[in-house]
Amino acid sequence: DAMVIQNPRYQVTQFGKPVTLSCSQTLNHNVMYWYQQKSSQAPKLLFHYYDKDFNNEADTPDNFQSRRPNTSFCFLDIRSPGLGDAAMYLCATSRADWVGRPETQYFGPGTRLLVL
Amino acid sequence: AQSVTQPDIHITVSEGASLELRCNYSYGATPYLFWYVQSPGQGLQLLLKYFSGDTLVQGIKGFEAEFKRSQSSFNLRKPSVHWSDAAEYFCAVGALESGGSNYKLTFGKGTLLTVNP
Repeated sequence: DAMVIQNPRYQVTQFGKPVTLSCSQTLNHNVMYWYQQKSSQAPKLLFHYYDKDFNNEADTPDNFQSRRPNTSFCFLDIRSPGLGDAAMYLCATSRADWVGRPETQYFGPGTRLLVL
Repeated sequence: AQSVTQPDIHITVSEGASLELRCNYSYGATPYLFWYVQSPGQGLQLLLKYFSGDTLVQGIKGFEAEFKRSQSSFNLRKPSVHWSDAAEYFCAVGALESGGSNYKLTFGKGTLLTVNP
């Protein structure tokens, strides 16, 4: 089945130690998103890739970076995790139509990040 | 900018009872509307969506939602709730940012559904 896969499902890191979260998709969608979701809150968009074009949200801290080496993969890098970065990180994908309006976003299962 | 309001933070229903989760949105044009469900520790699963056409939309797991333009609402309903429906439900609106070219999905704060046996 076509899907969005996130690895690992659980990640424990130390305060200040860089960490990378991975997302892959078999849907061949051209848009990929990263969201941060803290407990009992709505997902918050960090950034997204429209094909190779990176779009950062204005309030996303510089500590968060992303890479998309090809259509299928997208990575979230947290350069120096703080205690406040402990959250669920959700990857999503969508297919933008010819006028550049994305359609439905499909989410992966998420990676739960714990910062010690 | 678009916004989504889910007035009910937590709803408890008995198994077999009917369910309605409320969602109101604010957007200048017709938005794309979605309902997602999230079980504990899991990602978001799409229940249903409205883009255009018939305002009563059928989704998975027996859910439906009705788009009412006059009320700026997109309420989710299910005639008979099952214990497995206990989860958090998010309404979302997809629209272009004001003055921008980026398409964004704006979520409500969610409604937690508890189902009593």
